[in-house]
Amino acid sequence: GENVEQHPSTLSVQEGDSAVIKCTYSDSASNYFPWYKQELGKRPQLIIDIRSNVGEKKDQRIAVTLNKTAKHFSLHITETQPEDSAVYFCAAHNTDKLIFGTGTRLQVFP
Amino acid sequence: GAGVSQSPSNKVTEKGKDVELRCDPISGHTALYWYRQSLGQGLEFLIYFQGNSAPDKSGLPSDRFSAERTGGSVSTLTIQRTQQEDSAVYLCASSFVRAGEQYFGPGTRLTVT
Repeated sequence: GENVEQHPSTLSVQEGDSAVIKCTYSDSASNYFPWYKQELGKRPQLIIDIRSNVGEKKDQRIAVTLNKTAKHFSLHITETQPEDSAVYFCAAHNTDKLIFGTGTRLQVFP
Repeated sequence: GAGVSQSPSNKVTEKGKDVELRCDPISGHTALYWYRQSLGQGLEFLIYFQGNSAPDKSGLPSDRFSAERTGGSVSTLTIQRTQQEDSAVYLCASSFVRAGEQYFGPGTRLTVT
């Protein structure tokens, strides 16, 4: 079955710096890759997603890139702000379910 | 419109008791998913419904766990003879179609004492 690995597990950056979180997946049949943000005690919220027919997608300060050949995808956050602090999960859609990475705890220091 | 809702928000139960957790998906969403999240951990897939059918039950941890969905809408996750290791947040999500964007409910925090 599908396996998703996510790195790093924790990431600390200064406000205004960029943050990059990387994920790899194992099953080349996976075709949909969402990213979720989960604040403490809250539900996961979809922030951006990408499908396998696209290499990059941007939404304001957030971008996701996908390399199908290497089977990895990354989340890029530019000009980070303290409110970006949260746990971020990547996921890969395989057959009928999402397989999640183990999460990255991002801390943005003012 | 209304998002995914779950009830109860919190449930404390004694070891050995049965519990039922409820999920109301977004109206019109055909796919419904249950996940489990232990403290500080990632999301573990439990079961997926397309309409009232469950094509994938592969994530259910044991035969103490079961789920059903009726009318293509509300779903109930039942845990029989609860154990302490069942303590976690149980999250439900729905999507308009399979392989679509999944929207999560607020979760039910289950504590087994």
